[in-house]
Amino acid sequence: DAKTTQPPSMDCAEGRAANLPCNHSTISGNEYVYWYRQIHSQGPQYIIHGLKNNETNEMASLIITEDRKSSTLILPHATLRDTAVYYCIVGNNNDMRFGAGTRLTVKP
Amino acid sequence: GAVVSQHPSRVICKSGTSVKIECRSLDFQATTMFWYRQFPKQSLMLMATSNEGSKATYEQGVEKDKFLINHASLTLSTLTVTSAHPEDSSFYICSAIYRGNYGYTFGSGTRLTVV
Repeated sequence: DAKTTQPPSMDCAEGRAANLPCNHSTISGNEYVYWYRQIHSQGPQYIIHGLKNNETNEMASLIITEDRKSSTLILPHATLRDTAVYYCIVGNNNDMRFGAGTRLTVKP
Repeated sequence: GAVVSQHPSRVICKSGTSVKIECRSLDFQATTMFWYRQFPKQSLMLMATSNEGSKATYEQGVEKDKFLINHASLTLSTLTVTSAHPEDSSFYICSAIYRGNYGYTFGSGTRLTVV
């Protein structure tokens, strides 16, 4: 079973920041937080991952709370092409299971 | 970056026939690959873990005799759906670990339709 809880859907205006929350209260000390997204009928695309510290790359930022029980994925300037299902996964390379994810719709 | 190539991208087959799906890691070796299945409007469900040179590990409820997995080399894993039925119609996706804790790299998926 997935170890994460995400809102089923969110909307965001084009050009604005999209903040996608994820709860993972049962995360273990050696488990990472990964974010992927899936555009319709394609394989999931890696976005970012982190263990304890906040992370940023060319796609997004990941903010992990100090107790590691939740995190937020931030897309700083959402575009229409960011419309997708976003999955937050807690685990390691031996076990990565998907929850239901958040369907983000970016609107003009 | 790492690329996982999956083939075919879509296939239609008749009930009772078998279908083979290939998953290749390009430019890197993958001792472990993973197979997922996704039904419409649902999330990805892990079916099995494919280990190079050994038997696959299947998730509970997945029939190993129906979904045959072969991982004969460090760059190729295959999933064969045997005696396919319409209820096997689904989106099948493979993945492999690229490096360290950078998570999985996923293939583009195979849309299987059994008629």
